[in-house]
Amino acid sequence: QSVLTQPPSVSGAPGQRVTLSCTGSSSNIGATYDVHWYQKLPGTAPKLLIYGNTNRPSGVPDRFSGSKSGTSASLAITGLQAEDEADYYCQSYDSSLSGWVFGGGTKLTVL
Amino acid sequence: EVQLLESGGGLVQPGGSLRLSCAVSGFTFGTYAMTWVRQAPGKGLEWVSGISGSGGSTYYADSVKGRFTISRDNSKNTLYLQMNSLRAEDTAVYYCARYRGLYSRGWFMDYWGQGTLVTVSS
Repeated sequence: QSVLTQPPSVSGAPGQRVTLSCTGSSSNIGATYDVHWYQKLPGTAPKLLIYGNTNRPSGVPDRFSGSKSGTSASLAITGLQAEDEADYYCQSYDSSLSGWVFGGGTKLTVL
Repeated sequence: EVQLLESGGGLVQPGGSLRLSCAVSGFTFGTYAMTWVRQAPGKGLEWVSGISGSGGSTYYADSVKGRFTISRDNSKNTLYLQMNSLRAEDTAVYYCARYRGLYSRGWFMDYWGQGTLVTVSS
């Protein structure tokens, strides 16, 4: 059981906007630790999508955006494309565990 | 170009040991903290261990504390993970990754290797 909770699955049609949530607690996201997001395709290494809650590395399309409020964070994807079908993970730091933690991951399906 | 290449995975019996290596290139290795993350079959990502740029500080998930040891050789641009007393639940693809961030509790992983598979089974 992950300390960061993500919905197991989300789906959307091409061109639509979807939002993936990541819910934590006062020992991680609520403790003002940054949230980061990764995209993972089967058989490939995770790819950094968003760092420091809202920042995109160079090369990541601006269709991807991140936000954080209280004990939760969200990843929004606009103009959904077939190539966005992947698993998405949030990551932060947890002071109770004294370590870095991932959410359980959300599988995004493009209908 | 930043590159990370893991090696050392394989099949090992329960209770056995294995040492993973991660050879890096394309950046000044000793100035970056590094980490190991794993993904068990059909499961999500799990942070395993981390180490500061100098090697002076190490960090472990509770699930591996006392069994795994992270280390680095900055002269060889290589990160290691010594895994002892292996269990079936340690079966996973192990990724090495570079940490980035202004302070340790805000660290994130900006570059990843392709992973090496560790299978613990009799």
